[in-house]
Amino acid sequence: EPEVTQTPSHQVTQMGQEVILRCVPISNHLYFYWYRQILGQKVEFLVSFYNNEISEKSEIFDDQFSVERPDGSNFTLKIRSTKLEDSAMYFCASRAGGGETQYFGPGTRLLVL
Amino acid sequence: KQEVTQIPAALSVPEGENLVLNCSFTDSAIYNLQWFRQDPGKGLTSLLLIQSSQREQTSGRLNASLDKSSGRSTLYIAASQPGDSATYLCAVRQSGATNKLIFGTGTLLAVQP
Repeated sequence: EPEVTQTPSHQVTQMGQEVILRCVPISNHLYFYWYRQILGQKVEFLVSFYNNEISEKSEIFDDQFSVERPDGSNFTLKIRSTKLEDSAMYFCASRAGGGETQYFGPGTRLLVL
Repeated sequence: KQEVTQIPAALSVPEGENLVLNCSFTDSAIYNLQWFRQDPGKGLTSLLLIQSSQREQTSGRLNASLDKSSGRSTLYIAASQPGDSATYLCAVRQSGATNKLIFGTGTLLAVQP
C-alpha cells in the first residue's frame, strides 16, 4: 500500500541553524501538508500546499518557515534559523485530489539545542 | 474558534472488552471528522473518516459515529486486543475554504492481556 515517507527520522541541530525536512507524498496526491506535535501537546497544523503554492498557513508558520516542491516527488519544509521552541515531531501528510482522507508520514523528530 | 476535546485522556481495559472513546468539538460547522491511531514515537494512521452528512462508519472492529448538532463523535472498539494499545486522536476539518485538520487531545488506550 502506498505511504508517505519522511527523512530524516531524527535530526539534532544547534539553535540558529537551518534545517530541511523532507517528505515524499503518496504518488498522484495533489494536496500536501505539514503539521507538528510538540512533546505532550496536540498535533497542530502548519501549512497546506496545492498547485505549487501555499493554500493555507497557521500563525506558527512565520517568515522562518518555507515549503517547496522542488520536483515531482519531494515536498520539503525549511526552517531558516531554528529556535529551541521548534523542537517537535514534524509530520507530512498528503491527500488525493478526489479524496478526503489525509495520510500521514512517520514524522521527523527535530531537537534544537 | 474550534476546540476539540477527547475524554477520557487515558483508559485501561482488560482484553476482550468493548470500549468507547469520545471526541467533542465546539463548532458544529464541520466538513468531516477523522479518527487516527498513533503508536509511541510514530506517525498517525488513519482509521476512519466520517463526512458531515454521515452518521457512522465501520471498519472491522471499529465503528465511528457522528452527531454534528451536538458536537460529538465516538469511536467504538469491539473485542479489544493488546495490539489496540495506542493513542487515539480525532480531528475535524471545518466547513468552508479550509482543509486543515484540527486535532483533539487524544486518548491513551492500554489493553491489558
